[in-house]
Amino acid sequence: GQSLEQPSEVTAVEGAIVQINCTYQTSGFYGLSWYQQHDGGAPTFLSYNALDGLEETGRFSSFLSRSDSYGYLLLQELQMKDSASYFCAVARASSYKLIFGSGTRLLVRP
Amino acid sequence: GAGVSQSPSNKVTEKGKDVELRCDPISGHTALYWYRQSLGQGLEFLIYFQGNSAPDKSGLPSDRFSAERTGGSVSTLTIQRTQQEDSAVYLCASSMTGSGVGYNEQFFGPGTRLTVL
Repeated sequence: GQSLEQPSEVTAVEGAIVQINCTYQTSGFYGLSWYQQHDGGAPTFLSYNALDGLEETGRFSSFLSRSDSYGYLLLQELQMKDSASYFCAVARASSYKLIFGSGTRLLVRP
Repeated sequence: GAGVSQSPSNKVTEKGKDVELRCDPISGHTALYWYRQSLGQGLEFLIYFQGNSAPDKSGLPSDRFSAERTGGSVSTLTIQRTQQEDSAVYLCASSMTGSGVGYNEQFFGPGTRLTVL
């Protein structure tokens, strides 16, 4: 089967750094992506890792370790607007659909 | 259009009725996906279209669910004889291609919130 695990909730203070972890079990793994979803909004793409290592995009970075079936999303200089749900999703080799985790709800406090 | 659009944004129906949900993907995107999201949950894959064909319908929960895509553009998801457990937000996404080579970012629409009474 296939499954992804991520924490259900994380709370952090404005200006801080937070890491959201994701572990996965899937056959034919191709890459790990991250999506952000504000309450009532559509998921929006944040990042994608196909190779091991760190990908940085502004305040957000994403890491992947294929050997550990593990990845994380790192958010720096947290802002109140970063309060949202964050989903990791697996892209499988030669496939097209995304398999989503259940999401991590991030609450940024003043 | 500039993004993926879906209609209606909200739909309230009575148990046993049929509903149709519509998705307009980004122009030029050949791949189209339907997902379902229950409150506080992740996204559950329903069906994928490449052009007008649906190579993968594996996520459709039952034979009450069907979808079609015409002209390589608009897609309609139909739920017959709705049940209360069908209540969820139905999200549509599109991407340039569905190829597994490289990564094709999926762009999501705002969703249709379906409530079955």
